[in-house]
Amino acid sequence: DTGVSQNPRHKITKRGQNVTFRCDPISEHNRLYWYRQTLGQGPEFLTYFQNEAQLEKSRLLSDRFSAERPKGSFSTLEIQRTEQGDSAMYLCASSFIPGNNEQFFGPGTRLTVL
Amino acid sequence: AQSVAQPEDQVNVAEGNPLTVKCTYSVSGNPYLFWYVQYPNRGLQFLLKYITGDNLVKGSYGFEAEFNKSQTSFHLKKPSALVSDSALYFCAVKGGEGSQGNLIFGKGTKLSVKP
Repeated sequence: DTGVSQNPRHKITKRGQNVTFRCDPISEHNRLYWYRQTLGQGPEFLTYFQNEAQLEKSRLLSDRFSAERPKGSFSTLEIQRTEQGDSAMYLCASSFIPGNNEQFFGPGTRLTVL
Repeated sequence: AQSVAQPEDQVNVAEGNPLTVKCTYSVSGNPYLFWYVQYPNRGLQFLLKYITGDNLVKGSYGFEAEFNKSQTSFHLKKPSALVSDSALYFCAVKGGEGSQGNLIFGKGTKLSVKP
């Protein structure tokens, strides 16, 4: 399968713990995006990278959130001191720019903070 | 500010009947418009897009969408619905050249197709 992959698929943690998610984009894609989706809502943009450079961060991305894409390939999203409000599906997508513009999404990581 | 509205939380149709899922948008400049579908416990799947050109866009699984600039709409349509089309549908917009790269999504519309 050459699509976008995300690990883990599910994560349950206690409030105050740190968690890290990984995204592996489609190999030739130079852009990588992180979104968050809560129940009954559409995905909300968090941040995106072009190669290893983080080009945009949403106001939703508080200081407890950090994302990296050190070699321009896979990316990690870390949440420090998790809160119950962080419970959501975290989606990763990738695309090739310039190109067809559509973003291809991974299956997501579902985070539950107890 | 860019935004997308999907005015219907749920659309119910009978199998074999035509379906329409509505979407309106607000964006500066020429919009890039997309439809995605989400099945339970699965990621978003790309259906179709409008970037430029013909206002009627054809996509996967027999879906099509019509871009209407004067009404700022991009409604998703299918001539004959299948039970397997039942899913959550999201409309998304990105500003044109020079805009930020992220997509702005609507809240989603749940499509239910009954036999």
